[in-house]
Amino acid sequence: DAGVTQSPTHLIKTRGQQVTLRCSPKSGHDTVSWYQQALGQGPQFIFQYYEEEERQRGNFPDRFSGHQFPNYSSELNVNALLLGDSALYLCASSLGGCGRCGDEQYFGPGTRLTVT
Amino acid sequence: AQTVTQSQPEMSVQEAETVTLSCTYDTSESDYYLFWYKQPPSRQMILVIRQEAYKQQNATENRFSVNFQKAAKSFSLKISDSQLGDAAMYFCASRLTQGGSEKLVFGKGTKLTVNP
Repeated sequence: DAGVTQSPTHLIKTRGQQVTLRCSPKSGHDTVSWYQQALGQGPQFIFQYYEEEERQRGNFPDRFSGHQFPNYSSELNVNALLLGDSALYLCASSLGGCGRCGDEQYFGPGTRLTVT
Repeated sequence: AQTVTQSQPEMSVQEAETVTLSCTYDTSESDYYLFWYKQPPSRQMILVIRQEAYKQQNATENRFSVNFQKAAKSFSLKISDSQLGDAAMYFCASRLTQGGSEKLVFGKGTKLTVNP
């Protein structure tokens, strides 16, 4: 049973460019959350997708957008990259719509984005 | 708003000894989950232990246990018989239980070093 997978592993982009990160959830999971982890910090919630819609969003600008496909995989897009967008981007999957189920979020290995 | 604070940026412990990592949180909700995640150098975030706020009994998972003080909003992690493989960043996190709100809020982490 494959866990959460993310691609690519590493990515180097230039300021002003656009980037797309990809995530495949753990088998059986229908909800995908994205987090940004700056160096030396804890992860910060970007947004969550459930049933192909953005269900909740953190305090991130509109340059950050996402998409969820019918197979529950997800993409994170960042436009007009800034140096401050350099971080580890983590994807987590879970079984949505059941806040008291206690099903934890399973994390992928992350994509390390460097903006130069 | 939920906040999570980890006041110990770094901790060290001798192999086979016990160490306690501190975490305090703040939320206006009465029903929530608390988690400890481990992030080794491989970057994969791994769930260590979970506590449901409505349960008074402290959670235990093998060598890992928590001291949950709801009134004090404190949630510390005790690692017994520390092993070299326990060396990692440890993050405390909270999540509300209401449906549709599965955002994890993380602290800044504690780096644990295990000395042989």
